[in-house]
Amino acid sequence: QTVVTQEPSFSVSPGGTVTLTCGLSSGSVSTSNYPSWFQQTPGQAPRTLIYSTNTRSSGVPDRFSGSILGSKAALTITGAQADDESDYYCVLFMGSGIWVFGGGTKLTVL
Amino acid sequence: QVQLVESGGGVVQPGGSLRLSCAASGFTFSRHGIHWVRQAPGKGLEWAALIRYDGSNKYYADSVRGRFAISRDNSRNTLYLQMNSLRPEDTAVYYCVRDGGDYNLDYWGQGTLVTVSS
Repeated sequence: QTVVTQEPSFSVSPGGTVTLTCGLSSGSVSTSNYPSWFQQTPGQAPRTLIYSTNTRSSGVPDRFSGSILGSKAALTITGAQADDESDYYCVLFMGSGIWVFGGGTKLTVL
Repeated sequence: QVQLVESGGGVVQPGGSLRLSCAASGFTFSRHGIHWVRQAPGKGLEWAALIRYDGSNKYYADSVRGRFAISRDNSRNTLYLQMNSLRPEDTAVYYCVRDGGDYNLDYWGQGTLVTVSS
């Protein structure tokens, strides 16, 4: 069974840079997994930030960027702001129409 | 603007059935695949199902395959999720999500809560 892994929690100082990752329990994440990233605040629906590894969704500031780092997908936030404090989820395309979400990372800005 | 509005959630007993709907507007519904994604209270997101733009192909997570059925009516711009043999672990907010092409889950509804409890 495929498990998508994310850091459970992370913290960053205001103005700082943080990189969240998204891996596979076995194997490497590649561009063929078309990794996407979502931001969710409590009580709200998720918001799409990045799709197909590194394409920003409309209206997403360019301080959010996506990439492949080593064997994982990565979401980098530069110049972190207080309202970046959220839960962040990645999802990977596993082929044959199947998608799998990671467990999410709770980001604290302090 | 793109809108997805889920409905049909509620409280159901274990073993029961429920049908969710997702009404779409603001785009050409028949050109897009649509996903169902769920989120148990206090937990992460879980992908549940996908239907292609024309209904020709349907895909399911292992956790719901054989119990849930995704379908659509392109004449009504509406997506459905028929949920049978419900279990307490199916308790979640269910979101419909547009597939914008290029592997982009781009627009999310606000979700509908399903509670499976006796």
